[in-house]
Amino acid sequence: QVQLQESGPGLVKPSETLSLTCTVSGDSVTSGSYYWSWIRQSPGKALEWIGYISDSGSTKYNPSLQSRVTMSVDTSKNQFSLKVTSVTAADTAVFYCASLSGYCSGDTCYRGAYFDNWGHGTLVTVSS
Amino acid sequence: ETVLTQFPGTLSLSPGERATLFCRASQSVDSSYLAWYQQKPGQAPRLLIYGASRRATGIPDRFNGGGSGTDFTLTISRLEPEDFAVYYCQQYGSSPLWTFGPGTKVELK
Repeated sequence: QVQLQESGPGLVKPSETLSLTCTVSGDSVTSGSYYWSWIRQSPGKALEWIGYISDSGSTKYNPSLQSRVTMSVDTSKNQFSLKVTSVTAADTAVFYCASLSGYCSGDTCYRGAYFDNWGHGTLVTVSS
Repeated sequence: ETVLTQFPGTLSLSPGERATLFCRASQSVDSSYLAWYQQKPGQAPRLLIYGASRRATGIPDRFNGGGSGTDFTLTISRLEPEDFAVYYCQQYGSSPLWTFGPGTKVELK
């Protein structure tokens, strides 16, 4: 079973950069079994997909955040990371890392269909 | 962008009762990419259903998903005390690729 654990500062000042790391256990970030994703949840609100990074380092980001988001992988530590620049109070949220997985039915495979393993989440507050 | 709407916003029920939750998409969704999650306070979401009707590993058979096109349902046949939570639907499709509904809270009546 894949386990994920977020880490990073819980408080970030406005206009600064939010940086989080997700440590993966039970699988390698280079295995190709998953897309490694970040999702956030603002207080009392729904879930928002931020982006993913693949085992090869290719990325896809939510267009609403694309200009401010960067994801990377550290294979030596079996971790992947998120950076969000120029944060404001609107970026205050619980951030989750998750594995994005898929399944096959007959001859057809559906990659990236669901998020099956999640970290516990880490609250990041943007405040001066 | 495909917007997911969930209703009702809150469902007040008693243990043993049947819960039916709805997820409606603003445009047709490939049911192969429709999933449901359960979230309890202070916890991460847990995958319940994928491919609209396939139960994830370890999910009890009282949870059933269905639907196609723009209308999907999650049914909990007989509510157990641990089922009181918020439920989200999620789809993969048009930009921004993965989106979630606003959730339905199943609360104790």
